Amino acid sequence: DAGVTQSPTHLIKTRGQHVTLRCSPISGHKSVSWYQQVLGQGPQFIFQYYEKEERGRGNFPDRFSARQFPNYSSELNVNALLLGDSALYLCASSLYSMNEQFFGPGTRLTVL
Amino acid sequence: EDQVTQSPEALRLQEGESSSLNCSYTVSGLRGLFWYRQDPGKGPEFLFTLYSAGEEKEKERLKATLTKKESFLHITAPKPEDSATYLCAVQAGSQGNLIFGKGTKLSVKP
Repeated sequence: DAGVTQSPTHLIKTRGQHVTLRCSPISGHKSVSWYQQVLGQGPQFIFQYYEKEERGRGNFPDRFSARQFPNYSSELNVNALLLGDSALYLCASSLYSMNEQFFGPGTRLTVL
Repeated sequence: EDQVTQSPEALRLQEGESSSLNCSYTVSGLRGLFWYRQDPGKGPEFLFTLYSAGEEKEKERLKATLTKKESFLHITAPKPEDSATYLCAVQAGSQGNLIFGKGTKLSVKP
């Protein structure tokens, strides 16, 4: 079975632009979570969705938004990009909202 | 505030030299503690889930244990391919999100 997939793999944007990152969960998983990981730190929680509803939101500004589609895939959107948004963005899927989370390979975002 | 602290930050071992990584946590209502392995530039790879004090899980050269305040990841006779960053995370209360420590970077030299 395919694991969690994310696209694109790498992305370079300039300050002020907008970006959309995509994630497809493991088949049968109904929950998707998004994390931001900067170099040398552990992943920081951004959002969790379960059955297309937002179940949790981390301490990130309103420039960050997300949604989950009927097929359980998800998008993370970031508006008005700042240099500090440069990071590895990780998507994780789980069967339900409280189970083990399995991570995708991540999207490396660089903001110039 | 829920918090996870991992030590040491970095650990260098010779091949075959066993050691332990520590993860201490302060959370309200622990639901589960998770260990992940992360290679540079890649997503974390799931290793173990522990739910209650006294629980132990094993996989090849790795063994994870849990007490009421901390967890240990024991590495027995490590090999160079065990070199990676090991992340500890907790899930607490009614929230499904994971709270991560900063990780321990393990280097195993041949």
